Amino acid sequence: QSALTQPPSASGSPGQSVTISCTGTSNDVGGYNYVSWYQQHPGKAPKFMIYEVSKRPSGVPDRFSGSKSGNTASLTVSGLQAEDEADYYCSSYAGSNNFELVFGGGTKLTVL
Amino acid sequence: EVQLVESGGGLVQPGGSLRLSCAASGFTFSTYSMNWVRQAPGKGLEWVSYISRSSSTKYYADSVKGRFTISRDNAKNSLYLQMNSLRDEDTAVYYCARDFNSGYELDYWGQGTLVTVSS
Repeated sequence: QSALTQPPSASGSPGQSVTISCTGTSNDVGGYNYVSWYQQHPGKAPKFMIYEVSKRPSGVPDRFSGSKSGNTASLTVSGLQAEDEADYYCSSYAGSNNFELVFGGGTKLTVL
Repeated sequence: EVQLVESGGGLVQPGGSLRLSCAASGFTFSTYSMNWVRQAPGKGLEWVSYISRSSSTKYYADSVKGRFTISRDNAKNSLYLQMNSLRDEDTAVYYCARDFNSGYELDYWGQGTLVTVSS
């Protein structure tokens, strides 16, 4: 069982927006602004999409945005494109007692 | 271009050992902390271990503590994971991943190496 809770699936039509949630606790998501998001296409390595809740690394389209409220973080993909179909994982620092990175179980995003 | 290439995976019996390697190129390896993250077949990501730039600090997930050892050789631009007392549940693709900035986010990942623990 993953430390962070994500919906197993999400979907949207091309051009639409979709939001994926990531729920943790005050010991991880709610306690630190170190939430990141990763995109993973089948058989490929994860790709770094969002860091520190809402910042985009260089090269990531601004269609991808992140936010956080309390113990829940969210990834929003606007203007959905076919290539956005992938698995998305959230992650958070959870180091209150010891260094630890925790991940969500992943959300399969389908572009209809 | 940043590249991380893992090797050393394979089939091993329960209780056995394996040493994974990750060859880094395209950046100054000695200035970045590194991590190992694994993914069981059809499952999500699980952080395994962290090592600081100088190897002075190491952290492990509870699930591997006492069995796995992370190390690095900055002269060889390489990261390692020594895995002992392997269990069925250690079966996964193992990724090496570079620390982005703070130690809490991973900006570049290798393609992974598959470790299968089975009798």
